[in-house]
Amino acid sequence: DGGITQSPKYLFRKEGQNVTLSCEQNLNHDAMYWYRQDPGQGLRLIYYSQIVNDFQKGDIAEGYSVSREKKESFPLTVTSAQKNPTAFYLCASSILGEANTEAFFGQGTRLTVV
Amino acid sequence: QKEVEQNSGPLSVPEGAIASLNCTYSDRGSQSFFWYRQYSGKSPELIMSIYSNGDKEDGRFTAQLNKASQYVSLLIRDSQPSDSATYLCAVNRPGRDDKIIFGKGTRLHILP
Repeated sequence: DGGITQSPKYLFRKEGQNVTLSCEQNLNHDAMYWYRQDPGQGLRLIYYSQIVNDFQKGDIAEGYSVSREKKESFPLTVTSAQKNPTAFYLCASSILGEANTEAFFGQGTRLTVV
Repeated sequence: QKEVEQNSGPLSVPEGAIASLNCTYSDRGSQSFFWYRQYSGKSPELIMSIYSNGDKEDGRFTAQLNKASQYVSLLIRDSQPSDSATYLCAVNRPGRDDKIIFGKGTRLHILP
């Protein structure tokens, strides 16, 4: 079945640690996105990528890093520079260059600082 | 002006009534519009898409688009407690950054 897989579902981070959230899609989508969601809040764009080896900062990129070495994969690293990383992280993908296309979401990763 | 704006709510609607959710967007080049529903702790799921002016109906849901006013809405008829969720409006503007832009969402509470 085609879709987007995020892992892990739950992740715990110690203070000062870097952690990486995985996002893989087999939909052959060009565009991939990372969003952060805090309780009771909307989606905030962290990074997005339209093509392999290229990505752009979103609204809240500080303290995060990404890579896009393969079309299927768009991992997000939450670095120690992100002072308040506890949140729900969502990965999405979409087709580029077509008007009538929606974003497909993974199931999310809930990150907690311990 | 934010690119996609929604009233954050919460919007409280009695069970069985019509819930009306609104969204405005700033880029006139936007071509397709989506409504997602998100339950607490879950990922958003697409419930409606609309691409041309007018109404589009799917079961209890109706999406309305007015490109001249840069306005898109979602009506939920015969509201049920299971409709209680956050509803996200999204806009696709191919050729201009070529990315999907989400609003902050409106929280809807259906009162039993």
